[in-house]
Amino acid sequence: DGGITQSPKYLFRKEGQNVTLSCEQNLNHDAMYWYRQDPGQGLRLIYYSQIVNDFQKGDIAEGYSVSREKKESFPLTVTSAQKNPTAFYLCASSPGARTEAFFGQGTRLTVV
Amino acid sequence: AQSVTQLDSQVPVFEEAPVELRCNYSSSVSVYLFWYVQYPNQGLQLLLKYLSGSTLVESINGFEAEFNKSQTSFHLRKPSVHISDTAEYFCAVTIYNQGGKLIFGQGTELSVKP
Repeated sequence: DGGITQSPKYLFRKEGQNVTLSCEQNLNHDAMYWYRQDPGQGLRLIYYSQIVNDFQKGDIAEGYSVSREKKESFPLTVTSAQKNPTAFYLCASSPGARTEAFFGQGTRLTVV
Repeated sequence: AQSVTQLDSQVPVFEEAPVELRCNYSSSVSVYLFWYVQYPNQGLQLLLKYLSGSTLVESINGFEAEFNKSQTSFHLRKPSVHISDTAEYFCAVTIYNQGGKLIFGQGTELSVKP
């Protein structure tokens, strides 16, 4: 089955720890995206990558880092510099700029 | 800067009643338009999209949306809703020359009551 897999679904971490969220796709899409969702704020773009070994900051990149070493994978690291990391994180991929994005099931991160 | 505004944060409606979820966008260049639906603790699923051609687009489960360029709107409608339509709905745009990044509205929570 083709799709986007995010893991884990729920993640708990102590304040001050870095944590990495996994995103894998087998759709052969070039572009991948990370969004953060908070209640009442819609989705905000953290980072995106249009090709392997290249990525760009989105609107709220501070406190986050990414890598794109393989076409299929786009992991997101939430660092201790992120002031308010508790949120729902969504990964997406797209075959190109002129079509829709496909989303994973999300990871809910809770920092205590 | 481009932006998307969903005019209603919550829309309560009775089953079998019609519903309209409003979406306006601002952009000085051409856009592609999307409606996504999200059920609790899940990812987003594409409901329908406007890329080009006919300004009226339809989904397989009875929703439709009309692209109105002069009013920069892309309102979502359904003539008769079901309990199962209860979900959060997001309007989004992507700009031709900006690498496919989606800009989302704040979301509209549709609550269908029996």
